[in-house]
Amino acid sequence: RKEVEQDPGPFNVPEGATVAFNCTYSNSASQSFFWYRQDCRKEPKLLMSVYSSGNEDGRFTAQLNRASQYISLLIRDSKLSDSATYLCVVSLTGGYQKVTFGTGTKLQVIP
Amino acid sequence: NAGVTQTPKFQVLKTGQSMTLQCAQDMNHNSMYWYRQDPGMGLRLIYYSASEGTTDKGEVPNGYNVSRLNKREFSLRLESAAPSQTSVYFCASSDRGQRNQPQHFGDGTRLSIL
Repeated sequence: RKEVEQDPGPFNVPEGATVAFNCTYSNSASQSFFWYRQDCRKEPKLLMSVYSSGNEDGRFTAQLNRASQYISLLIRDSKLSDSATYLCVVSLTGGYQKVTFGTGTKLQVIP
Repeated sequence: NAGVTQTPKFQVLKTGQSMTLQCAQDMNHNSMYWYRQDPGMGLRLIYYSASEGTTDKGEVPNGYNVSRLNKREFSLRLESAAPSQTSVYFCASSDRGQRNQPQHFGDGTRLSIL
């Protein structure tokens, strides 16, 4: 089983739609979770951290389910500019960050 | 707002040539990382440096060496380039040992080995 698994997609959604991605992780000792966004041929950029109680940043909501070992990202009112690959990132903390990146879920928002 | 700076942005090498990829960060981060990204493979850690003066192997270290020159700079060296090392290389940095401290990436070096 991969340490971090994501559905590669692509998810093709119309503008204004709501879309959700899940990501599962295998190491129950994982402590920190993030969603990154990566545009084609660009560097990954932090979208948001994921906190135990769930957190929201504008149209984006992230959730963590430790019991089932997954995190989710919900995007409301999708914009064309949301088209990108979304990377799930999981890390163990302690001394250094052992960080594992998922291979990403591709989102294409269609006019 | 420089953040993480990588040089060069593009490079073409012949098999067997050597080169060094440079990375510098101005965020006073302790930890620095080198990744490669290949289609369908996601980001794979080559080497990391938890703090100045230390380096450790990641998932795919073969064929590479690194130097943590000081707190700001972390270089990646290909001693004898091979076509399998054609990839996009990203450097990243983060604070060490802190929960929920994300990594910040440079904009990458696109390397082709002929």
